[in-house]
Amino acid sequence: NAGVTQTPKFRVLKTGQSMTLLCAQDMNHEYMYWYRQDPGMGLRLIHYSVGEGTTAKGEVPDGYNVSRLKKQNFLLGLESAAPSQTSVYFCASRIPVGGSSEQFFGPGTRLTVL
Amino acid sequence: AQTVTQSQPEMSVQEAETVTLSCTYDTSESDYYLFWYKQPPSRQMILVIRQEAYKQQNATENRFSVNFQKAAKSFSLKISDSQLGDAAMYFCAYRSRSSGDKLTFGTGTRLAVRP
Repeated sequence: NAGVTQTPKFRVLKTGQSMTLLCAQDMNHEYMYWYRQDPGMGLRLIHYSVGEGTTAKGEVPDGYNVSRLKKQNFLLGLESAAPSQTSVYFCASRIPVGGSSEQFFGPGTRLTVL
Repeated sequence: AQTVTQSQPEMSVQEAETVTLSCTYDTSESDYYLFWYKQPPSRQMILVIRQEAYKQQNATENRFSVNFQKAAKSFSLKISDSQLGDAAMYFCAYRSRSSGDKLTFGTGTRLAVRP
């Protein structure tokens, strides 16, 4: 049981390049999330999904797109990377049973945009 | 919009001593949930403890306990018998039913443990 995994762990992009971050979970969780973490700002929600085929915007969605074609995978895309998107990205998932149910986090992806 | 405030960017504690990390939040909701997450240098986010707002009893998990003051909108974390492995960033987080299942995080407190 791997939990939540993220690919890749590190990436360096040039401004204007595109890339996709992959999140996978093997816990059969319905809900999945993408966050970014910047120094001094905690974690901020980018997009989330409450089920296969559904996505919704979070707090800071601009410049990102997501897709949830399979229940176990949640993809985060950057179409034209900007230096402001340099950050650590975390994926998380949880079961929708009660508001206090735990979000399980992946190990993070450190992205640098030059 | 809900906000979560952690007013202590850094804290330090002597090994085996007790430390309290502060968290306040702003909400007009009555039904919500509060969490403390730990982030060690490995970056992995780990749930430490959670509290349902409708429960008056403060949550406890081994050496970790909370002081939940609903009227004051305060949710502090107490770590007893601090250990070197407790050194990490600690984030307070809030979720309510009406927030669309979103977790709102504070900016974190970096805890150092002195041997």
